[in-house]
Amino acid sequence: DIQMTQSPSTLSAFVGDRVTITCRASQSISSWLAWYQQRPGKAPKLLIYKASILESGVPSRFSGSGSGTEFTLTISSLQPDDFATYYCQHYNSDSGTFGQGTKLEIK
Amino acid sequence: QVQLVQSGAEVKEPGASVKVSCKASGFSFNSYGISWVRQAPGQGVEWMGWISVYYGNTNYAQNFQGRVTLTTDTSTSTAYMELRSLRSDDTAVYYCARDVALYSARPSCHDFWGQGTLVTVSS
Repeated sequence: DIQMTQSPSTLSAFVGDRVTITCRASQSISSWLAWYQQRPGKAPKLLIYKASILESGVPSRFSGSGSGTEFTLTISSLQPDDFATYYCQHYNSDSGTFGQGTKLEIK
Repeated sequence: QVQLVQSGAEVKEPGASVKVSCKASGFSFNSYGISWVRQAPGQGVEWMGWISVYYGNTNYAQNFQGRVTLTTDTSTSTAYMELRSLRSDDTAVYYCARDVALYSARPSCHDFWGQGTLVTVSS
């Protein structure tokens, strides 16, 4: 199975900061990568799919990039609502492996 | 509107089985795939497996091979996840989630999710 590794595991930032989360695949996955946001007690919410396509209704301060084995999720200007846990997911193969998550905390 | 409504919380003893349902509405159930994802308390999310309602095929994560079975009932637009030989570390919230892609022959990413079902395994 392809392994997905996110970094950092925890990230502290201020409202208004620009932050980047990285996801690395153990082998090339082309652009078959999604990003999710999860708030406590809620199901994950799809933010980005196919590495860089913004899901309908998701604010434009979220963006994704990358292909092959290295991907990034960038939030251009953090809002209070953005403090949550973020997951990457590889899909369109035999499995849908998630990364271990990045918890974004208020500094 | 698209909805996935899951069955209620379960408490099971070690060694037992559990079957969680996920009733779909607001979209053409037969055209999509459904994945199951779980989350143990305080842990990350873990993909368990996928079923294509359209093609009828399944894919299971290696960690669950032989212990999980995914099925659907197209007459009621309901997906099911059965997990056998339960252990204490199977205690988790189990989610069903709809594929983004129509008629996909492989697991896709997920745009709509159920509300989650807490399964507690305890003696």
